[in-house]
Amino acid sequence: GAVVSQHPSRVICKSGTSVKIECRSLDFQATTMFWYRQFPKQSLMLMATSNEGSKATYEQGVEKDKFLINHASLTLSTLTVTSAHPEDSSFYICSARSQVTTYEQYFGPGTRLTVT
Amino acid sequence: QQPVQSPQAVILREGEDAVINCSSSKALYSVHWYRQKHGEAPVFLMILLKGGEQKGHEKISASFNEKKQQSSLYLTASQLSYSGTYFCGTEGPNSGGSNYKLTFGKGTLLTVNP
Repeated sequence: GAVVSQHPSRVICKSGTSVKIECRSLDFQATTMFWYRQFPKQSLMLMATSNEGSKATYEQGVEKDKFLINHASLTLSTLTVTSAHPEDSSFYICSARSQVTTYEQYFGPGTRLTVT
Repeated sequence: QQPVQSPQAVILREGEDAVINCSSSKALYSVHWYRQKHGEAPVFLMILLKGGEQKGHEKISASFNEKKQQSSLYLTASQLSYSGTYFCGTEGPNSGGSNYKLTFGKGTLLTVNP
């Protein structure tokens, strides 16, 4: 099956610093990658959609300058949380959509970010 | 537009059946079902694309109604491993093709007890 990895799985950072999260599709090429945020016991909220080689499309209310997304290749997308604050603490999950099987979307294991 | 999932939670004993519903006020392009265990990422279960479609196997299956506005997930003879939160993700009229994205329901917490 399709495998998506995410790194790191957990990160603790101090307020004001930046954190980069990587998302990789390991055994397929991803036309599109998605970044979600999930609060405890809540649904998955889409933050942005990224296509390889083009600018990410952000959902309403998501700050582009705070959550920087780069989709450098068909297997790698990164999310950088800049000038992190405690309210940015959350579970961030990426997913990837296969270039071949264009309907299915596979999720990475998630990154637990804690900002102190 | 967020799909509506019901019920919000269900508790079963091992071996019992459950149905989880996902509905939208507008016709959908597709419905995707996922199961998420606590602290983990969602795991893909299945996708339904066509009106009237039924998919899956004996234990876990799903249907998509003819109008493509409602999908149901059927869990038969539940096992302890079925416990988790089930989400439906929908691809709607404004989120297809080049604007593809999934909008997820609030989830249904399923607990299977021995």
